[in-house]
Amino acid sequence: EVQLVESGGGLVKPGGSLRLSCAASGFTFSSYSMNWVRQAPGKGLEWVSSISSSSSYIYYADSVKGRFTISRDNAKNSLYLQMNSLRAEDTAVYYCARGIDIWGQGTMVTVSS
Amino acid sequence: AIQLTQSPSSLSASVGDRVTITCRASQGISSALAWYQQKPGKAPKLLIYDASSLESGVPSRFSGSGSGTDFTLTISSLQPEDFATYYCQQFNSYPRAFGGGTKVEIK
Repeated sequence: EVQLVESGGGLVKPGGSLRLSCAASGFTFSSYSMNWVRQAPGKGLEWVSSISSSSSYIYYADSVKGRFTISRDNAKNSLYLQMNSLRAEDTAVYYCARGIDIWGQGTMVTVSS
Repeated sequence: AIQLTQSPSSLSASVGDRVTITCRASQGISSALAWYQQKPGKAPKLLIYDASSLESGVPSRFSGSGSGTDFTLTISSLQPEDFATYYCQQFNSYPRAFGGGTKVEIK
């Protein structure tokens, strides 16, 4: 079964850091570009970052550029999102997605003092 | 950056109704557009890719059309399980913008 499982979410204070992980299974992870997408409570979807299959190409939304870092480990079938200097407006459910077709269940990040 | 404008932002419809949702891009994106369905507390589900290609397993009552800047998602006969929020997303360039969403509610 093709599956993506996110982990690492939680409650963090403003200015803090968090690292999200996304474990992939059921497909050849190294062949696909991967994405992080977030959704603030009661709001729409917001694209956060993308990484190509070999990590050669990386893109960020302006709202997270310079604070978030996307990476992947194809040997471990895993995608990561290192989030630094977190702000209240980063509070959201964070989804990892394979290209456009497969999404994880999401992990909640809450930034609050 | 390309912006996507969805309309309407919400609509009320009855089972069996034909429903049309529009997504307009601020500049041409060829056919690089996808449509998703999202139900409360769940991840988005891909319905349509490349503007008009139906994702495997998605009922044929869903269809997509358009190219360039104007796109449409149509549900030919609304079913109870179709009440959800629908989003478009462009894949022509980065940032990969989403539309603001259209909430389809029961009339």
